[in-house]
Amino acid sequence: GNSVTQMEGPVTLSEEAFLTINCTYTATGYPSLFWYVQYPGEGLQLLLKATKADDKGSNKGFEATYRKETTSFHLEKGSVQVSDSAVYFCALRGYRGSTLGRLYFGRGTQLTVWP
Amino acid sequence: NAGVTQTPKFQVLKTGQSMTLQCAQDMNHNSMYWYRQDPGMGLRLIYYSASEGTTDKGEVPNGYNVSRLNKREFSLRLESAAPSQTSVYFCASSSGGDTQYFGPGTRLTVL
Repeated sequence: GNSVTQMEGPVTLSEEAFLTINCTYTATGYPSLFWYVQYPGEGLQLLLKATKADDKGSNKGFEATYRKETTSFHLEKGSVQVSDSAVYFCALRGYRGSTLGRLYFGRGTQLTVWP
Repeated sequence: NAGVTQTPKFQVLKTGQSMTLQCAQDMNHNSMYWYRQDPGMGLRLIYYSASEGTTDKGEVPNGYNVSRLNKREFSLRLESAAPSQTSVYFCASSSGGDTQYFGPGTRLTVL
């Protein structure tokens, strides 16, 4: 079946540090992959996505590359800011049959950035 | 353009009470979803509606019912609330493509 495993948090960094949040997936076929972000007290917002192998999604300085050979979609940012403090969710979109269109989420990683 | 709206924002129920969570979207999306978010569990799909007039069970449907009232609205009903249903509930919609758009959530406590 479809599932997503992401790095457990919380992650605490100083401003301008490098960020990596690991995400691996299990799926049949060729799912699309996503990173969503949830700021305190709000709903989820799409951060970036990739729809096929070797695609790189990017937004607001964050990047993730769809690696089919390692079934991974790790989130990176070269220099984090205090405003990046949030919970980050990795997700995949079902590819076929009864799972088509459904999103499967990881458990989320809390990131806190200190000034 | 309000996107996805949910009411209420907060609710406290006693065990056995019933309530309906409302969700509406103004993006003309075909598909709508209900999720629950619990600490350390991520988001889990309760029910979804791929198009107006259809609904299907997700990962955790027990204790819930849904109604796709029209293309805009998708409600979630708890007939007899239980403490295990204490959670944050999110509604989302999509056009059938990749991206889902989420509402701000309803925080529900069942005593």
